[in-house]
Amino acid sequence: QKEVEQNSGPLSVPEGAIASLNCTYSDRGSQSFFWYRQYSGKSPELIMFIYSNGDKEDGRFTAQLNKASQYVSLLIRDSQPSDSATYLCAVNMRDDKIIFGKGTRLHILP
Amino acid sequence: DAGVIQSPRHEVTEMGQEVTLRCKPISGHNSLFWYRQTMMRGLELLIYFNNNVPIDDSGMPEDRFSAKMPNASFSTLKIQPSEPRDSAVYFCASSLVEHNSPLHFGNGTRLTVT
Repeated sequence: QKEVEQNSGPLSVPEGAIASLNCTYSDRGSQSFFWYRQYSGKSPELIMFIYSNGDKEDGRFTAQLNKASQYVSLLIRDSQPSDSATYLCAVNMRDDKIIFGKGTRLHILP
Repeated sequence: DAGVIQSPRHEVTEMGQEVTLRCKPISGHNSLFWYRQTMMRGLELLIYFNNNVPIDDSGMPEDRFSAKMPNASFSTLKIQPSEPRDSAVYFCASSLVEHNSPLHFGNGTRLTVT
């Protein structure tokens, strides 16, 4: 099993709809979880981080964490064309190693 | 804050040549990571340092790759000799050594080995 898994997409979502991005991880001792956005040719930029089970909201973004299921997700409400990018899930493993999934390509349809 | 600074931004070299990538982390950060990104393999962790000490280099693909962090403000990733399959974007990222601290990325170095 890969350490951090994401569906590669592309995920196509109409403008104004909710985009749902998912990620699973293998190390049950993982302690912190991050979502990064990466535009083509650019470096990853941090969008959200979450450490505790439940939901965390920041503007149009909501991160959800379920440690029992080893599952973390990102919801983007009122999707905009500028949200079209690759979204990377990152997990801080118990030994401080930060591992990334391969990313999900999101395409917002105008 | 200047952010993480990487150099060069682009590097084109011939197979067999030595390549050195450089990184200056954010001042005050004490953890530094080197990643390699390709379409096929995504963002792969090569090595990371805490307080200038290499903690895990299991991601370094082979002996041709080496990394150093002589002080808190500078790190290098060296490939000797380089091969075409090393072509990728190499990112350096820094953070604080805390479980909840996110990574801050440099702009990356795009390496092309012909």
